[in-house]
Order: sequence, then structure tokens, then C-alpha cells
Amino acid sequence: AQRVTQPEKLLSVFKGAPVELKCNYSYSGSPELFWYVQYSRQRLQLLLRHISRESIKGFTADLNKGETSFHLKKPFAQEEDSAMYYCALSGATNKLIFGTGTLLAVQP
Amino acid sequence: ETGVTQSPTHLIKTRGQQVTLRCSSQSGHNTVSWYQQALGQGPQFIFQYYREEENGRGNFPPRFSGLQFPNYSSELNVNALELDDSALYLCASSLKGPNSPLHFGNGTRLTVT
Repeated sequence: AQRVTQPEKLLSVFKGAPVELKCNYSYSGSPELFWYVQYSRQRLQLLLRHISRESIKGFTADLNKGETSFHLKKPFAQEEDSAMYYCALSGATNKLIFGTGTLLAVQP
Repeated sequence: ETGVTQSPTHLIKTRGQQVTLRCSSQSGHNTVSWYQQALGQGPQFIFQYYREEENGRGNFPPRFSGLQFPNYSSELNVNALELDDSALYLCASSLKGPNSPLHFGNGTRLTVT
């Protein structure tokens, strides 16, 4: 079965601390993995996707097929990073399977 | 470039009624997907339309149906509403293909009483 697991509902860190939002997936083929973010009072939007291997707003995510993980990392958290983060998986179509999300709270 | 817009923003219906939610896709996008997001959960895929044909469906009963129009606007219809249908309904448009990012609307908050 296709599934995305985000074990943490809430992650609270201080400004300047490293951040790692965990994401594990279950998929029989070769998945496409994404991170979507929702800032307060804004719509859900794409943060990054593994195929692009890019860094967006200082965030990176590496696909680890052995551990079936796609953790989101940032070395130094900023207050403006506070948001809801969703990990998502896509198979052969644009059907996205989302995790339950992790609320990142960056304290000053 | 115009973004994805959804209407209405909020809606209250009674159990057993029918509802139609509307979405206007981002200009140039030929694919529209609908998601249901219950409180405290991630969005769940309902179905996707490409060139006015259904192109994939999630685990939702047939009383959830949709339409996509030539101008890229779309509708989500839900018949015989149940209390558990209360949720945020998100529309997302994209180009076809597994790596095309989804562009989401702000959603319609449906409450069934």
C-alpha cells in the first residue's frame, strides 16, 4: 500500500537551530517525493521535489531509498519558517498521497 | 498569470443535501485534482480530470463526482451529504505528468449539519 508517514505532529525549535522534519514512505515502485508547505493564512504550495535536487529557502531533502525516507532539513531555522509542512508521494500520475503534516514552530 | 480560485469559501449544508463546489484553474493548466482535507489530516485525493475526462480516482464513493470544462474550470459535486463529509475541499491545477507541481486554491470549507 502507498503511504506517507510523518511521525511528528509538532516540532518546536529555537531560531538558529537545525531543523529536520521526518518523512517515511511506503511504495512499491519508484516514487516521486515532494514537500509542500502552508504558511499561516496562505494556500498550500510546493516547497521542493526530490527530482530537482534543489535547495529552496535553505531547505534540502534527500531521497533515501534504502530507508524509504525523504527528510526535510535546514541548518539554521528562521522564524519565517514557521508553517505546516506536508510530505507527499506521487506514483505514475499526479495523484499525490500526503502525510498528516508537521507543524514547525520556530521560537525567537 | 492567474492562480487557482475556489468558490464559495464557506458553505453549510444539511445531511442528505447535495452540494457543488467550483474551481477555476491556473491559466494554461490542463489537469485538475480535488482533495478532501479533514481536520488534523493531510489532503486526501478524490479524483483528477484531464481534458474533461476522469483520470484517476481515490477511495471515495460514487456520490462524489466531478466535471471539467473546456475553459479549465471544474466542479466537485457531492450527493446525499453525510456528517463525515465536513472538511476543507481543495482544488489543484497542474500540467499533466507525475512531476508537475500542483497549484492549490484556498479551498472551500464545507460543514454538514
